[in-house]
Amino acid sequence: DQQVKQNSPSLSVQEGRISILNCDYTNSMFDYFLWYKKYPAEGPTFLISISSIKDKNEDGRFTVFLNKSAKHLSLHIVPSQPGDSAVYFCAAGGYGGATNKLIFGTGTLLAVQP
Amino acid sequence: DVKVTQSSRYLVKRTGEKVFLECVQDMDHENMFWYRQDPGLGLRLIYFSYDVKMKEKGDIPEGYSVSREKKERFSLILESASTNQTSMYLCASSLLIHTQYFGPGTRLTVL
Repeated sequence: DQQVKQNSPSLSVQEGRISILNCDYTNSMFDYFLWYKKYPAEGPTFLISISSIKDKNEDGRFTVFLNKSAKHLSLHIVPSQPGDSAVYFCAAGGYGGATNKLIFGTGTLLAVQP
Repeated sequence: DVKVTQSSRYLVKRTGEKVFLECVQDMDHENMFWYRQDPGLGLRLIYFSYDVKMKEKGDIPEGYSVSREKKERFSLILESASTNQTSMYLCASSLLIHTQYFGPGTRLTVL
């Protein structure tokens, strides 16, 4: 049972345009969401997070939006740069019980074309 | 700056061998994790530990065991390696449960 889903395995965007990566979840007990970025042959690096009490969090070119009623979050990258080309994982977690660990999505490969 | 190191970047082993993967973190984090990453499956949690000598099973613990004798070190053990354990293995540590910091990964091939 995939509790965190990234339905787009890949995304291609032109440099300077907006990249939008999507993530859906099924467990309403999740109350903390994160995005990680992974280059080939490297470990994932933490990018940005959002608590369930917020609907938006911004850090420079990166913004994460959370729609709790739809159980959906998205990562916006504006403007996209070639160095953003990587696999992006969303992850969800809670503060107790079965959600007291991170559940990762399957990842979306972003390619930013120069 | 958090640093998580893993003992090997690439490892080739034969079926039936006992395999040790070592992970060390230098930030005095309480929590440590082992994941494997496979194409189309994302990161799946194998085992994690909240404290020294403490361990909990993740989502796919079968065929693996772990050891945490010191706070900074978390080892993953494949008792008898099999070809379906060929994967990228990632170690992570965290102070808070959610913001995890990952090592560079070990690409294990079992022949």
